[in-house]
Amino acid sequence: QVQLVESGGGLVKPGGSLRLSCAASGFTFSDSYMNWIRQAPGSGLEWLSYISGSSSDTNYADSVKGRFTISRDNAKNSLYLQMDSLRAEDTAVYYCVRHARLAAYWGQGTLVTVSS
Amino acid sequence: DVVMTQSPLSLPVTLGQSASISCRPSQSIVYSDGNTYLNWFQQRPGQSPRRLIYKVSNRDSGVPDRFSGSGSGTDFTLKISRVEAEDVGVYYCMQGTHWPWTFGQGTKVDIK
Repeated sequence: QVQLVESGGGLVKPGGSLRLSCAASGFTFSDSYMNWIRQAPGSGLEWLSYISGSSSDTNYADSVKGRFTISRDNAKNSLYLQMDSLRAEDTAVYYCVRHARLAAYWGQGTLVTVSS
Repeated sequence: DVVMTQSPLSLPVTLGQSASISCRPSQSIVYSDGNTYLNWFQQRPGQSPRRLIYKVSNRDSGVPDRFSGSGSGTDFTLKISRVEAEDVGVYYCMQGTHWPWTFGQGTKVDIK
């Protein structure tokens, strides 16, 4: 069965950096578009970024463009999100999600807290 | 960006009764491939979102047939027939047609 396990969250100061990882299993990772979606505490959902199986196609929400970078390592069945210049408003649970446009499978999420 | 407007935002329901949630995109969400990427998600308290319905009306595997999706154009509906206690949570619609893909604000369903 499909499993997505995020890691790398934690407490970071404003202006700092963090790298999230997502370990995927149960499907052909290299064939799948992958995504990062976040949910601020008590708030709704925001789609941040997607990446194609070959990494040739990526896109970002305006709120993170220029600060966050999505990447993947198909040999390791892993998805990443490099987050730089973090702000208080980036505080959220970050989800790794399989499938562009359809969001069929979600991980359990990892909490990122940006605070001094 | 496409704004997804859900109503109501809060929905108290009696066990065994039906419930309907409306979702209205701010523009057409028919993609160039002919598909309408309108999906519905359930988020139970303390859990990750779970997809229930994809492309308007296709129920995911394992989702009870009490859940159904319908609609077209800029008017979509999620219906829950015979609400059960396990249906408590927040329900989101989402469009995957126009980037950035966007979610509705969420509708909180609880039991009266």
